[in-house]
Amino acid sequence: GESVGLHLPTLSVQEGDNSIINCAYSNSASDYFIWYKQESGKGPQFIIDIRSNMDKRQGQRVTVLLNKTVKHLSLQIAATQPGDSAVYFCAEKWTGTASKLTFGTGTRLQVTL
Amino acid sequence: EPEVTQTPSHQVTQMGQEVILRCVPISNHLYFYWYRQILGQKVEFLVSFYNNEISEKSEIFDDQFSVERPDGSNFTLKIRSTKLEDSAMYFCASSEGVGWGASYGYTFGSGTRLTVV
Repeated sequence: GESVGLHLPTLSVQEGDNSIINCAYSNSASDYFIWYKQESGKGPQFIIDIRSNMDKRQGQRVTVLLNKTVKHLSLQIAATQPGDSAVYFCAEKWTGTASKLTFGTGTRLQVTL
Repeated sequence: EPEVTQTPSHQVTQMGQEVILRCVPISNHLYFYWYRQILGQKVEFLVSFYNNEISEKSEIFDDQFSVERPDGSNFTLKIRSTKLEDSAMYFCASSEGVGWGASYGYTFGSGTRLTVV
C-alpha cells in the first residue's frame, strides 16, 4: 500500500497542531464521500464519511467539510499526533453507481515532534 | 474490531500463470469489492459483488479477471494469465450496505502484493 515514487503533496505539521487536508473531487453528481488513511504496507482505513446533503460532519478529533459549489472536501484533524502520519485519500461515490468508489491522489501527512 | 483478511500477503508469479487472491470479508457484510493500487498510483476500483453476482466493474476488469464467492466466507479474485502490468497491491473490501455512516463504510483488507516476473 505504499505510494513510493508518487510525488504526493506533503503536509508537515507539528505535533499538537491542527491539520487540514484538502481534496478536489471530480464529479459534481457524487453523493457520498469518504476519507481514508493509509499507513505504509496497509490497506486504506476508514476515517469519516459525509453525504452530499450535508456540509459538515464531526467525528473524534476529525471533521469533514464539504463545499459542493467548488467540489471541495477537507479533513481537519485536531491536535495532530505522530500516529496520524500517513497518506490520506478522499474517495467519492458517483450518483447512479451502486458502490464504486473513485479515489483521489492522496496527501502525505508528516507529523514532526 | 472485525477485519477483512487477505491471503497471501505477497505473491510472486511468472507471466502467463494464473493466480487466485483470497479474501475473507467481514461476516455480516453483503457487498464485496476488489481494488488495486499500482506502485506509486491511486487506488483503483476493479469490481463489486452482491447477491452472488457482479454489480459493477471497471474497464480494468476484463476477461482475464473473474471473481467468485465459493462458500459462505471466502471471496476470490482470479487472474487467468498474468501480465507484467498486473503487478500491484490488490485490496479486498466489504461493506454492510451501500450508503453512509461508519456501519456502512468500506473496510479494506491489508492487501496482497502481486509481483509478476
